[in-house]
Amino acid sequence: EAGVTQSPTHLIKTRGQQATLRCSPISGHTSVYWYQQALGLGLQFLLWYDEGEERNRGNFPPRFSGRQFPNYSSELNVNALELEDSALYLCASSLGQGAREKLFFGSGTQLSVL
Amino acid sequence: QKEVEQDPGPLSVPEGAIVSLNCTYSNSAFQYFMWYRQYSRKGPELLMYTYSSGNKEDGRFTAQVDKSSKYISLFIRDSQPSDSATYLCAMSGGGSTLGRLYFGRGTQLTVWP
Repeated sequence: EAGVTQSPTHLIKTRGQQATLRCSPISGHTSVYWYQQALGLGLQFLLWYDEGEERNRGNFPPRFSGRQFPNYSSELNVNALELEDSALYLCASSLGQGAREKLFFGSGTQLSVL
Repeated sequence: QKEVEQDPGPLSVPEGAIVSLNCTYSNSAFQYFMWYRQYSRKGPELLMYTYSSGNKEDGRFTAQVDKSSKYISLFIRDSQPSDSATYLCAMSGGGSTLGRLYFGRGTQLTVWP
């Protein structure tokens, strides 16, 4: 069974541009989560989608947005890129919603903003 | 105060040693506790999952949760060079934090042969 897949693996952008990151969850999983892992800061929660709806959001500015498609795949968009947005962006999926859910992560997209 | 505190290490031990990794937390609403292992340039991999207080054992790994002290631990017995990775504790609860995992910063472990 395929795990969580993310694309692209690496993305290089310049300041002010927009970045689009993609995620396909494990088959049968309906919830998708996005995390940012910046150097020295650990994993920070960005967004949670379930059944096409945004269910929760972390402490990030509105230029971080996303959506979930009917096939449960998801996109993360980052507008007006800033240098400090350089980080590993991780997508995870789970079977459903709730605090007890086990999250399974993809390998991430390394975003570099120059 | 950060929600979850974890000593970043680094920790370096010889093969066969017992490794102890720890996290403390401040939010008493946390009920689910996890340990993830992350190899370089990879995503975190779920290692252990525990609900509420108590111990859980899986092979060489034992997870302990003490909710009264807000303290969780991961023990690795007979450590192997392949255990060299960053270990992340994570926890979750309900209410407004639903759907969100709170992570420690991770402890970098090296097991040398």
